[in-house]
Amino acid sequence: SQQGEEDPQALSIQEGENATMNCSYKTSINNLQWYRQNSGRGLVHLILIRSNEREKHSGRLRVTLDTSKKSSSLLITASRAADTASYFCATGLSGYALNFGKGTSLLVTP
Amino acid sequence: SAVISQKPSRDICQRGTSLTIQCQVDSQVTMMFWYRQQPGQSLTLIATANQGSEATYESGFVIDKFPISRPNLTFSTLTVSNMSPEDSSIYLCSVEYDSQTTDTQYFGPGTRLTVL
Repeated sequence: SQQGEEDPQALSIQEGENATMNCSYKTSINNLQWYRQNSGRGLVHLILIRSNEREKHSGRLRVTLDTSKKSSSLLITASRAADTASYFCATGLSGYALNFGKGTSLLVTP
Repeated sequence: SAVISQKPSRDICQRGTSLTIQCQVDSQVTMMFWYRQQPGQSLTLIATANQGSEATYESGFVIDKFPISRPNLTFSTLTVSNMSPEDSSIYLCSVEYDSQTTDTQYFGPGTRLTVL
């Protein structure tokens, strides 16, 4: 499977600032999902965006998808220390396993 | 969302031994997958666990090393056989309930394996 690329690899911001993470992929998809992982534990599903959608919101999260550029972004607004984690994008086709990006490590300092 | 449990949550094993990891889901699911996450890395798919038939393995993973069982629609096991320190990783199962209604995949809490 081909993995996507995420940038930045690491991001350090202060509480209250916005955090933007980008993801690029190579294969055809019908959905793209973002996950959070705290300290090497399990993955928490954040949001799914389908290939026919351009933007999606969930609380402080905003995800965009540009299928022509094969890229997506995750914006976390008004970040909190509790948002400190690794964030992964994963692309997929229905009924198949996901292809994961390399992840962005986010540090939010008080 | 799914409630997925994995046992054990962590283990420290000796080289040459085997460990079986269990994945239990709170309801029937169509698709179950096993992933490996090596230290500091992203997730890599090991195999798709098929109910009632042999698992489908990704390139680089073989049944002799990672035998998988899926006896029903709520349970699967992954065995890491003849372990070496290179097998030290987090092993995660994931599920997709019904690809016709949702593509969301949920992950278990993971099993952190250290091989000495």
